[in-house]
Amino acid sequence: GENVEQHPSTLSVQEGDSAVIKCTYSDSASNYFPWYKQELGKGPQLIIDIRSNVGEKKDQRIAVTLNKTAKHFSLHITETQPEDSAVYFCAARTGRLSGSARQLTFGSGTQLTVLP
Amino acid sequence: SQTIHQWPATLVQPVGSPLSLECTVEGTSNPNLYWYRQAAGRGLQLLFYSVGIGQISSEVPQNLSASRPQDRQFILSSKKLLLSDSGFYLCAWSRPAKANYGYTFGSGTRLTVV
Repeated sequence: GENVEQHPSTLSVQEGDSAVIKCTYSDSASNYFPWYKQELGKGPQLIIDIRSNVGEKKDQRIAVTLNKTAKHFSLHITETQPEDSAVYFCAARTGRLSGSARQLTFGSGTQLTVLP
Repeated sequence: SQTIHQWPATLVQPVGSPLSLECTVEGTSNPNLYWYRQAAGRGLQLLFYSVGIGQISSEVPQNLSASRPQDRQFILSSKKLLLSDSGFYLCAWSRPAKANYGYTFGSGTRLTVV
């Protein structure tokens, strides 16, 4: 099955700096890669996603890049603000018809702290 | 638009007591439904998923069970809680298998077993 590794597990940056979180996946048939942000005491919220036919996607201060050859994808947050502090999860979904639920496989999460 | 409701938000239960957490989805039909548990400072552990009424798949053998009595209702249960059942429980839904979409999570239930 799919395996997703996420690094780093914790990340501290100064307000205004950029933050980068990286994930690798094992199944070359994976074709959908969402990123979730989880604030303390809340459920994860989808913040951006990318499909395998696209190499990069941007949404204001957030961008995601995908390298299918190397099987890794990254989340980039520019001009970080204190409200960006949260746990971030990457995930991958295989395109194989293995199981009818087409489950997402999540990374282990990154605790991002933006220091004022 | 689709919404997911999960309750209660917090729960404190004694060891050995029963548990019932409920999750409902509105605005869609035949969703895939999921229960996750998150221990403090840890990642997301998939407990159960369901692709239809009465169809439950278990990922991890444990003290919990799940049921789907209606298309958009997913229930997590236990007959006797253990201390190790404490955690943050999340329900999620996604579109049926052929669509390429992510999950939408509920707001979670913080369960403390004492």
